[in-house]
Amino acid sequence: DIQMTQSPSSVSASVGDRVTITCRASQGISRWLHWYQQKPGEVPKLLIYAASTLQSGVPSSFSGSGSGTDFVLTIDNLQPEDFATYYCQQAHSFPRTFGGGTKVEIK
Amino acid sequence: QAQLQESGPGLVKPSQTLSLTCTVSGGSVTSGDYYWSWIRQPPGKGLDWIGYIYNNGNTHYNPSLKGRVSISLDTSKSQFSLKLSAVSVADTAVYYCAREGYNYNGMDVWGQGTTVTVSS
Repeated sequence: DIQMTQSPSSVSASVGDRVTITCRASQGISRWLHWYQQKPGEVPKLLIYAASTLQSGVPSSFSGSGSGTDFVLTIDNLQPEDFATYYCQQAHSFPRTFGGGTKVEIK
Repeated sequence: QAQLQESGPGLVKPSQTLSLTCTVSGGSVTSGDYYWSWIRQPPGKGLDWIGYIYNNGNTHYNPSLKGRVSISLDTSKSQFSLKLSAVSVADTAVYYCAREGYNYNGMDVWGQGTTVTVSS
């Protein structure tokens, strides 16, 4: 199985900040990496697919980059509604695997 | 816009079989554009992929479930179902059904999730 490692596991930030979350795959996965946002008690929501393509309806303050084994999710100008847990997921092979999550908290 | 809805018992006894159904509306389970998937999330933890079924009946399961899982498709009812046998307390989780794009475009539609508790 491909292991996905996210860092940090949590980050405290203020409204207006830029937040960067990294995701590392245990082997090369090309660009087949997706990012999800999950708020407490809610369903995961697809933010970015194929490493850098913004899902329809997702604000442009979210962006993704990377290929191979190292990927980054960036949130610019953090808004109150962005405080949530973020997960990466590899789609290179089965079984699909998720990172452990990064919780973005209010400072 | 497609919608998915899970249904099934919220309480299952240890060693018994967990059975859930996902009903798809606004879309077709016969579409070749998607994998129809199950994912679970134990309380306070992250997301675990269980498996998928494709429109031709092909399946793939997470080996970590050690042969306890099966996913089936009922095209006449636009449903796909999950069975997990020999459950233990470790299988207590919120269970989600979702569709994953066949062309590497992510799990874009999810059910609302259903909580399954394994307890005697």
